[in-house]
Amino acid sequence: DTGVSQDPRHKITKRGQNVTFRCDPISEHNRLYWYRQTLGQGPEFLTYFQNEAQLEKSRLLSDRFSAERPKGSFSTLEIQRTEQGDSAMYLCASSGGGGNYGYTFGSGTRLTVV
Amino acid sequence: RKEVEQDPGPFNVPEGATVAFNCTYSNSASQSFFWYRQDCRKEPKLLMSVYSSGNEDGRFTAQLNRASQYISLLIRDSKLSDSATYLCAVPMYSGGGADGLTFGKGTHLIIQP
Repeated sequence: DTGVSQDPRHKITKRGQNVTFRCDPISEHNRLYWYRQTLGQGPEFLTYFQNEAQLEKSRLLSDRFSAERPKGSFSTLEIQRTEQGDSAMYLCASSGGGGNYGYTFGSGTRLTVV
Repeated sequence: RKEVEQDPGPFNVPEGATVAFNCTYSNSASQSFFWYRQDCRKEPKLLMSVYSSGNEDGRFTAQLNRASQYISLLIRDSKLSDSATYLCAVPMYSGGGADGLTFGKGTHLIIQP
């Protein structure tokens, strides 16, 4: 599979629990992005990595959110003490550099906090 | 002005018609612009990139107007399968978007038989 893979596809969790999502980018892409999308909205930028370095974080990314890309390959996004407002689709995208070719998105992880 | 603004629609268009919608942006330093297509409950997929005045791919044409800071998407001979949400994306900073893209809310298009 040469696309961007995300796991799990769906996650239902109780408020207050921690959740972790995984993203495997296209192997030759050195840039990886996390976005969040809610119904009726466009994707909102959360953070991005160039190789293993996290270069930008949105103000949307509160202290409860943390992202890692330890070896410059796959990435994880963890949300601690989930809240109902965290319910959204979490999208991962990768880019080959320069960004001039747009991003390839994964299928997303749909999080529902109950 | 909002960073990226789109008319949410919906645009209801008969099959075979031509439809166009615009996207305005505030970052005058942007060098690249993107149109994504998103089907219901699916991920966005890159439709077209625009780096200069415009780009054409089959029935789809994207135009860039730097002076007025908007890009447009024109769909000719629309098909039922064109029904989707069309997202406009603009680099968060200058350049091509390597540091992140800002997306509009999308324009919902419905092609009617």
